[in-house]
Amino acid sequence: EADIYQTPRYLVIGTGKKITLECSQTMGHDKMYWYQQDPGMELHLIHYSYGVNSTEKGDLSSESTVSRIRTEHFPLTLESARPSHTSQYLCASSESGTGTGNIQYFGAGTRLSVL
Amino acid sequence: GQSLEQPSEVTAVEGAIVQINCTYQTSGFYGLSWYQQHDGGAPTFLSYNALDGLEETGRFSSFLSRSDSYGYLLLQELQMKDSASYFCAVRRGTALIFGKGTTLSVSS
Repeated sequence: EADIYQTPRYLVIGTGKKITLECSQTMGHDKMYWYQQDPGMELHLIHYSYGVNSTEKGDLSSESTVSRIRTEHFPLTLESARPSHTSQYLCASSESGTGTGNIQYFGAGTRLSVL
Repeated sequence: GQSLEQPSEVTAVEGAIVQINCTYQTSGFYGLSWYQQHDGGAPTFLSYNALDGLEETGRFSSFLSRSDSYGYLLLQELQMKDSASYFCAVRRGTALIFGKGTTLSVSS
């Protein structure tokens, strides 16, 4: 059973607001990821982290930022939300091994709507 | 860079067998993975192939041919609950790159 949690599950906010999407895992995984996924589309990697104090941008350009101060916590922040940020945001984590690194555990996601 | 190709949609009836193909291009290969995602839900890991051949897990099997840069997911004895999107994925460094997904619709 994967133990990775995202809050909130749903969020509707107005343009210009600052928001933080929370992601926590209790599996002790070093690696964590954020993906953006529009309905019926593929997952796009927007940020990832190798471990504490290590973050990298993914393939999809994103105006969001992330931090990794604790192993279990990987929040994503939008300083000024826009309607183009409306999407589902999925957090995931994995072990560091060559094989086990292919197994990512996903949270339930946050569906964000920016009006 | 990495790219993956898989069919966008597949339809089948309950009890049937369906195969979802995936071809990939990647610099450096660390294995091919498969994930299932029900509508609106979280993707869940199904299988992983690092070496050529068939891996079987219950009703689901996954195959890999590294020389052909090709793999497939085989679903047997289809059930209605298997209706979902299926994604193949390859590693790039520490991250996974996902295909566009195949929507499987199972009818009775």
